[in-house]
Amino acid sequence: EAGVVQSPRYKIIEKKQPVAFWCNPISGHNTLYWYRQNLGQGPELLIRYENEEAVDDSQLPKDRFSAERLKGVDSTLKIQPAELGDSAVYLCASSLFGSVRDSGYTFGSGTRLTVV
Amino acid sequence: KNQVEQSPQSLIILEGKNCTLQCNYTVSPFSNLRWYKQDTGRGPVSLTIMTFSENTKSNGRYTATLDADTKQSSLHITASQLSDSASYICVVSAQTGANNLFFGTGTRLTVIP
Repeated sequence: EAGVVQSPRYKIIEKKQPVAFWCNPISGHNTLYWYRQNLGQGPELLIRYENEEAVDDSQLPKDRFSAERLKGVDSTLKIQPAELGDSAVYLCASSLFGSVRDSGYTFGSGTRLTVV
Repeated sequence: KNQVEQSPQSLIILEGKNCTLQCNYTVSPFSNLRWYKQDTGRGPVSLTIMTFSENTKSNGRYTATLDADTKQSSLHITASQLSDSASYICVVSAQTGANNLFFGTGTRLTVIP
């Protein structure tokens, strides 16, 4: 099994430019999460999907961040325009049944974003 | 307030030595506790998961303990290898709430030859 697949692995962009990240969760996992991890910190939840519905996006900076999960499988996270403070690792994770007690909670390898 | 604190923040040990990482939490109601290993530039990988009734769980050279009364957990690494160099993150799950995962900031372990 491929696990949670994210792309690209690395991205360097100039500030004010747009950027998009892609995530393919484990097959059958109905819950998908996007996290942001700053250097030396633990991941912080940005948004959680149950199938195609965003059930928790309270931490998503909606003025510049957007996400979608069409058909309840793959997901994209977009930043437009990017700011210097957006430099971080963006992690995608997936689980089954929306509960970490019920399934393996698996992270992707992340996308390291550098905004210059 | 639900929090997870880890110590030490960083640790350097010689190859072959043992070490113990600590995790204290205030998350309630408690569901489970996981230790993750995160290599630089990679996503976290689960090492162990422990529920309320479990005191000890091993995964190869990794042994995790849980004291639900004092809300403390430890991760013991035996006979360390260079490949153990990574960040180790303690994650505690609560039984309620949409965002029911609470992450520690991790311990950065460096194993030197």
